[in-house]
Amino acid sequence: GDSVTQMEGPVTLSEEAFLTINCTYTATGYPSLFWYVQYPGEGLQLLLKATKADDKGSNKGFEATYRKETTSFHLEKGSVQVSDSAVYFCALSDPTSGSRLTFGEGTQLTVNP
Amino acid sequence: DGGITQSPKYLFRKEGQNVTLSCEQNLNHDAMYWYRQDPGQGLRLIYYSQIVNDFQKGDIAEGYSVSREKKESFPLTVTSAQKNPTAFYLCASSISSVNYNEQFFGPGTRLTVL
Repeated sequence: GDSVTQMEGPVTLSEEAFLTINCTYTATGYPSLFWYVQYPGEGLQLLLKATKADDKGSNKGFEATYRKETTSFHLEKGSVQVSDSAVYFCALSDPTSGSRLTFGEGTQLTVNP
Repeated sequence: DGGITQSPKYLFRKEGQNVTLSCEQNLNHDAMYWYRQDPGQGLRLIYYSQIVNDFQKGDIAEGYSVSREKKESFPLTVTSAQKNPTAFYLCASSISSVNYNEQFFGPGTRLTVL
């Protein structure tokens, strides 16, 4: 079945540091890929998405590129802020399963001033 | 404002009691979902509904039940058969479940069984 694996957390960075959170996936078809963010005490919000190979999703300074050859969708940001502290989830949607999402385990990011 | 409402934010119950979690949306979405979130395990799908009066089991449906009598409401009952019910429960909705459509999430309900 489909699965998503994220780098182990938690991740702690200083403000303005470079962020990478690794995400790899296994899927039988050609999935769409997503990053969701969860701020403390809240539900999830869609951060960015990519629907086909080589697509780059971007939002709020975050970027991720759909790499079919390495089955990866790593999240990056050039300069993190304290307000980026949250849990980040990588997810995929297989076209055969409609809107059902398969999530990774989440990565807790803490940014210190 | 359109959105998804879950209530209450915190819920405490004694072991052996059934409890129902509320989820309401005014986005006019056809599809609704229930997820369970545990530390270090991401989100796991409990049940989902593609349309009124229809629902399907997700990956961890045992010990849970749902109903979808109205388009805007998708309550989840955690029964006494659920072995480890203490968790954070998230409800979501999307325009439809045919082809991918963005899921919008509610703020969640944290259930603690004492």
